[in-house]
Amino acid sequence: EAGVAQSPRYKIIEKRQSVAFWCNPISGHATLYWYQQILGQGPKLLIQFQNNGVVDDSQLPKDRFSAERLKGVDSTLKIQPAKLEDSAVYLCASSLVPWTMNTGELFFGEGSRLTVL
Amino acid sequence: SQQGEEDPQALSIQEGENATMNCSYKTSINNLQWYRQNSGRGLVHLILIRSNEREKHSGRLRVTLDTSKKSSSLLITASRAADTASYFCATVVTGTASKLTFGTGTRLQVTL
Repeated sequence: EAGVAQSPRYKIIEKRQSVAFWCNPISGHATLYWYQQILGQGPKLLIQFQNNGVVDDSQLPKDRFSAERLKGVDSTLKIQPAKLEDSAVYLCASSLVPWTMNTGELFFGEGSRLTVL
Repeated sequence: SQQGEEDPQALSIQEGENATMNCSYKTSINNLQWYRQNSGRGLVHLILIRSNEREKHSGRLRVTLDTSKKSSSLLITASRAADTASYFCATVVTGTASKLTFGTGTRLQVTL
């Protein structure tokens, strides 16, 4: 079974530029998550989708971050314009469990490491 | 904000020894999960313990949960160099469906 795919693995940009990350979850997984992990810290949830609807985006900086999950499969996370503090690893995860159930494990991709100069 | 706080932040042991990591959280939970992250990689699920469970085993892993103290511990027995990684606890807070909130992590170094 193929895992969660993410691209690109690494990206270096100048501040105020834009960047987009792509995620393809495990086939059949209804729930998709984007986490931000700053060096030395635990992952912080940015947005959670259930199929193509947003379940939670309370910690997404909406003035510069946007995410979509068209057709309930692939997802893209965009940052525009980027700031220095956005340097982090962006992790995508998916889960078989729908949002109405309170159990289940997450399957993570390898992450996309962003460096903002 | 982080729901869980791991203790210690870093742990260095020799191969064959046991490693114990602790996690404290703030609010009522449905379940607590432990994940491992090797350097530069994604997180891998290790074990899940539900709020009505007190102890769970999986291979060399033993997890305990004390909901009265809002704490959990992860014990890795007979550690190996390959266990070197960061370990995170994550909680599903009651009423938040399948939102998983991670702690700050423990960096484990196992030396030969």
